[in-house]
Amino acid sequence: KAGVTQTPRYLIKTRGQQVTLSCSPISGHRSVSWYQQTPGQGLQFLFEYFSETQRNKGNFPGRFSGRQFSNSRSEMNVSTLELGDSALYLCASSHQGITGTYGYTFGSGTRLTVV
Amino acid sequence: DQQVKQNSPSLSVQEGRISILNCDYTNSMFDYFLWYKKYPAEGPTFLISISSIKDKNEDGRFTVFLNKSAKHLSLHIVPSQPGDSAVYFCAASGISGNQFYFGTGTSLTVIP
Repeated sequence: KAGVTQTPRYLIKTRGQQVTLSCSPISGHRSVSWYQQTPGQGLQFLFEYFSETQRNKGNFPGRFSGRQFSNSRSEMNVSTLELGDSALYLCASSHQGITGTYGYTFGSGTRLTVV
Repeated sequence: DQQVKQNSPSLSVQEGRISILNCDYTNSMFDYFLWYKKYPAEGPTFLISISSIKDKNEDGRFTVFLNKSAKHLSLHIVPSQPGDSAVYFCAASGISGNQFYFGTGTSLTVIP
């Protein structure tokens, strides 16, 4: 079955702009989580959506938001971009959340560069 | 505050030898741990997991050890192969949580 699909793969934006990233989870998976990966910081949890509801949120400013649609696809939005937002943004899906032996299935990520 | 730490950013090992990757955590409520492997330009892929009721879990060449009293886990790869060269992340979660806490990763290079 198809994996987790993230679009676009690469993005260059200017400071102050906003950006929307998209994630299509594995068919049947209802949980979608977003992570930010930066050098030296590992993967930092942004938020998790389950059945269109934000179920858990990490420690990021309100400029970072997301939503999930009825087909489980999810979007993440970052407003008023800052240079420090340059990172790899990873989406991960799972059937119920983090329960289960295999945790998440990750997408390949969207590499965002803010200039 | 980093609740999961991988203190070695990089590790080089000869092909055929053992690779040992280490991970420490601070939260005693963590009870489920995973290792992910990441190649460049790809997302992390699940490698192996362990729950707190066990102290060891094996899957082929990969073994994860958990020492709860020391809040330490390690991943052993035996024998190491060049295709194992990647960044390895450890992750932890608590029973009531809905997120994983990841370490900063260790870049493993297996030298042919």
